[in-house]
Amino acid sequence: GQQLNQSPQSMFIQEGEDVSMNCTSSSIFNTWLWYKQEPGEGPVLLIALYKAGELTSNGRLTAQFGITRKDSFLNISASIPSDVGIYFCAGPYSNAGGTSYGKLTFGQGTILTVHP
Amino acid sequence: SQTIHQWPATLVQPVGSPLSLECTVEGTSNPNLYWYRQAAGRGLQLLFYSVGIGQISSEVPQNLSASRPQDRQFILSSKKLLLSDSGFYLCAWTRLNTEAFFGQGTRLTVV
Repeated sequence: GQQLNQSPQSMFIQEGEDVSMNCTSSSIFNTWLWYKQEPGEGPVLLIALYKAGELTSNGRLTAQFGITRKDSFLNISASIPSDVGIYFCAGPYSNAGGTSYGKLTFGQGTILTVHP
Repeated sequence: SQTIHQWPATLVQPVGSPLSLECTVEGTSNPNLYWYRQAAGRGLQLLFYSVGIGQISSEVPQNLSASRPQDRQFILSSKKLLLSDSGFYLCAWTRLNTEAFFGQGTRLTVV
């Protein structure tokens, strides 16, 4: 099946630093989604990407849909303590008939720790 | 605006006991609904999805079942829980069949 590989698995940074993480797949995706999950909570959608090459920002967050459609990047600028959490990439996967029905496959997540 | 509610937030159940987790969505009609499980704070695994009342598709073989008795209600059940059923269960609905929105999750511990 379709798998998403996220890296790095974890990051320990100082407040104010910029962060970059990525997600790769051996399969082509037509949509890339980035989520953030805080402890004990459900994931929250940060950014959705729909076109190859698309660059989208949400405050200090910027995500890009790779040209090959097999990767995506998420950058966080000037990190703050509340950026702590697990960041997931996700994309829709299809059954044999090519319909996703909104089913998502997730990467294993990047755990971000920000030291004040 | 749309909201999704899941309960209970935490649950501790003995092995062999039944399970019923409930999820409801408000502010939208005929949503696609999903149950995911997350182990040890890592990636989410899709368990079930539903495109309408009474329509359930299972993604992985397991000890669990799902039902959709009403348009905006999705239930996850088990007749007899196993230790391996412990985990964080998340209900979700999708907009445009792409962007998924999640509930707060249920932490299930089977003892």
